[in-house]
Amino acid sequence: NAGVTQTPKFRILKIGQSMTLQCAQDMNHNYMYWYRQDPGMGLKLIYYSVGAGITDKGEVPNGYNVSRSTTEDFPLRLELAAPSQTSVYFCASSNGLARTQYFGPGTRLTVT
Amino acid sequence: DQQVKQNSPSLSVQEGRISILNCDYTNSMFDYFLWYKKYPAEGPTFLISISSIKDKNEDGRFTVFLNKSAKHLSLHIVPSQPGDSAVYFCAASAFEGADGLTFGKGTHLIIQP
Repeated sequence: NAGVTQTPKFRILKIGQSMTLQCAQDMNHNYMYWYRQDPGMGLKLIYYSVGAGITDKGEVPNGYNVSRSTTEDFPLRLELAAPSQTSVYFCASSNGLARTQYFGPGTRLTVT
Repeated sequence: DQQVKQNSPSLSVQEGRISILNCDYTNSMFDYFLWYKKYPAEGPTFLISISSIKDKNEDGRFTVFLNKSAKHLSLHIVPSQPGDSAVYFCAASAFEGADGLTFGKGTHLIIQP
């Protein structure tokens, strides 16, 4: 039981490039989330999903897109990367009713 | 506008003593509160939670207290151990929590030997 997994662990992008951050969970959780954490700050919600085919914006969605075609996977897409997207990205999941979210190890992204 | 505030960026406590981490919130709709622990280069790990219908929840060395009238919660760790050195995040959720958690900025707890 791996919990929440994220790939890659690290990535350096040039301004204007695109990439997809992968997130998968094997706990059969319906709810999945993407957060970003900037230095010295708390985590901020980017997008979330309450089930396959259903996604919604969080507090800081600009510059990102998501899709949820399966219960297990919730990829985050960055189009036209900007330096402001340099951050650590965390994926999380929960079964909703319990309300406790379980986090992956994170992806550290640098845009230069 | 920060809805969850952790006003102490860092806290140093001697091993074996009690660590008290504080958190304040402003949104009256929050009804579920969580504490996460985070080591460098790792994801946050769930520690303990409390529903607004309770004022205390205990799990081993960890106890969370909630004062709804003051919109304040605290995490007590006793006795503190070296492995407790980490960043602790307070987080809050409203209603069903489907729209994610609101986090404080964290408190870096350092346990001195």
